[in-house]
Amino acid sequence: GAVVSQHPSWVICKSGTSVKIECRSLDFQATTMFWYRQFPKQSLMLMATSNEGSKATYEQGVEKDKFLINHASLTLSTLTVTSAHPEDSSFYICSASMMRRANEQFFGPGTRLTVL
Amino acid sequence: AQTVTQSQPEMSVQEAETVTLSCTYDTSESDYYLFWYKQPPSRQMILVIRQEAYKQQNATENRFSVNFQKAAKSFSLKISDSQLGDAAMYFCAYRSTGNQFYFGTGTSLTVIP
Repeated sequence: GAVVSQHPSWVICKSGTSVKIECRSLDFQATTMFWYRQFPKQSLMLMATSNEGSKATYEQGVEKDKFLINHASLTLSTLTVTSAHPEDSSFYICSASMMRRANEQFFGPGTRLTVL
Repeated sequence: AQTVTQSQPEMSVQEAETVTLSCTYDTSESDYYLFWYKQPPSRQMILVIRQEAYKQQNATENRFSVNFQKAAKSFSLKISDSQLGDAAMYFCAYRSTGNQFYFGTGTSLTVIP
């Protein structure tokens, strides 16, 4: 149980376009979802935390107008990278936690974004 | 924000031997959780072990155990009887009372046959 999926797993886009990444909890209701960014051979950097039905809380230094996060339901959160540029190329990972196991995070498999 | 430090970018261990990965953290909170995650080449994060700060007893999961020193803010991971499948990046993580996770920079573990 506690499976989190991400779609797409890999996306290539042109500079200036927007890309949406979906994160779904498949077999549980995710009260909180998290978005991370990971550069090659580096750690996971928390970008934002979102609770269902409310606005996301962004970490310092993360542009909220650039990385739009929507958590419309208890099983779906989306990250939209707007007007993507090559420096946005990275590995994006989402995770989710549930009410009865709030101390754990269940991670998705990640999405590799390449901006040309 | 809390900081998590892993001072060993790379470690290696002979198969069947024991290796210890180090982690220190900085926090002013008294109640928190600590985790070790494994990230194989597939990039999927896998929970290895976790420790509640209010528990004095060190957590153990089969071949994996931790040495939690709360006063020293140290949280090391010991892998016993290392196996080839243990080769991966290992991240130490801190969960704050606000349910945010902060990760260390990772340790790349190589297991030598």
